Amino acid sequence: QVQLQESGPGLVKPSQTLSLTCTVSGGFLNSGAYYWTWIRQHPGKGLEWIGYYIYSSGSTYYNPSLKSRVSISIDTSNNQFFLKLSSVTAADTAVYFCARVDLYYDHWGQGPLVTASS
Amino acid sequence: EIVLTQSPATLSLSPGERATLSCRASQSVRSFLAWYQQKPGQAPRLLIYDASNRAPGIPARFSGSGSGTDFTLTISSLEPEDFAVYFCQQRGSWHTFGQGTKLEIK
Repeated sequence: QVQLQESGPGLVKPSQTLSLTCTVSGGFLNSGAYYWTWIRQHPGKGLEWIGYYIYSSGSTYYNPSLKSRVSISIDTSNNQFFLKLSSVTAADTAVYFCARVDLYYDHWGQGPLVTASS
Repeated sequence: EIVLTQSPATLSLSPGERATLSCRASQSVRSFLAWYQQKPGQAPRLLIYDASNRAPGIPARFSGSGSGTDFTLTISSLEPEDFAVYFCQQRGSWHTFGQGTKLEIK
């Protein structure tokens, strides 16, 4: 059974870069045509797709509203993928999930709350 | 960007009743729509994919229908564990989610 686990700081200062790691177990990042994805959920709100990495094509796709600040990368040797979101503001405070997409979001991490505050 | 509008925002029902949740897309997504259930403090769980297909392990009381721009999630007879927030999501053009319907106990 595939499992995903996010890790990283729970507090980021405004204007700095939010960095999160998603560690995948029970499966391999370099198998299949999955989309390795980051999504966030503002407190009490809906879900916002941030972007994904498609290993089979080596392509990344980002939400146009975040594209200028987002980077997703991958480390197959450690079965991890990463999110970097630069120049954060209070509006970036949210629960950040990593997920595997096999057409749809079938496996999710637990989702830590990341707060952007000084 | 395709906008998904869910209604109602809140639905108050009793166990045993039938629940009908709606999701409307701002443009056609064909059948590329899923439904998720989310409980407090948990990640969403995939219930229905491609509008009408139940995900593995999902009880038969959950069903989905629709295509194009109008979709429905039906829970035929509510169990206590079904009270949660439900989101729809489309993959027809990028990925967007609806704002959610909270299903609460009446």
